[in-house]
Amino acid sequence: RKEVEQDPGPFNVPEGATVAFNCTYSNSASQSFFWYRQDCRKEPKLLMSVYSSGNEDGRFTAQLNRASQYISLLIRDSKLSDSATYLCVVNGWSGGYNKLIFGAGTRLAVHP
Amino acid sequence: DVKVTQSSRYLVKRTGEKVFLECVQDMDHENMFWYRQDPGLGLRLIYFSYDVKMKEKGDIPEGYSVSREKKERFSLILESASTNQTSMYLCATRAVYVVGTGDHEQYFGPGTRLTVT
Repeated sequence: RKEVEQDPGPFNVPEGATVAFNCTYSNSASQSFFWYRQDCRKEPKLLMSVYSSGNEDGRFTAQLNRASQYISLLIRDSKLSDSATYLCVVNGWSGGYNKLIFGAGTRLAVHP
Repeated sequence: DVKVTQSSRYLVKRTGEKVFLECVQDMDHENMFWYRQDPGLGLRLIYFSYDVKMKEKGDIPEGYSVSREKKERFSLILESASTNQTSMYLCATRAVYVVGTGDHEQYFGPGTRLTVT
């Protein structure tokens, strides 16, 4: 089982739609959670951190459910520029060192 | 503004060649990472370093080695390139993680697309 699992998509949605992605993680000891965005042929960049109480940044809302070990990202009023791959990321420990564990990503395509 | 640079955007090498991929950061971050990214598999950690001259194996270290002689520079070495090492290689840096204070953003370089023929 992968440590972080995501639906690869693609999610094809029209402009203005609301779309939600989920991700599950296997390590209950994980403490930090993030969504990264990766545009085609570009490097990943931090979109937002995910807090236990849920958090919002403009059209983007992230939620964390520790009991079920899943993280969600909601995008409202989708724009063409939202087309990208969204990576779910959790932190973990390996040999006493902290590292980030990346999901394989969910691809979003927003069309006119 | 954090800047992470990688020595090449595209590289083509022959099987058996020794390949050096260099990563340089200007943020004085202690932590540096090398990943490879393949379709459907996502980002996989090859090696990481938490300080100068320190290195730790990631999830897929076989066929790779690393060098960190200076804080700002982290090199990935393919001792004898093979076709299954054709991939996108991404370097990343992050400030030191402190338990209880939250995690820090990880910054990536633009990537090197390596093709081994």
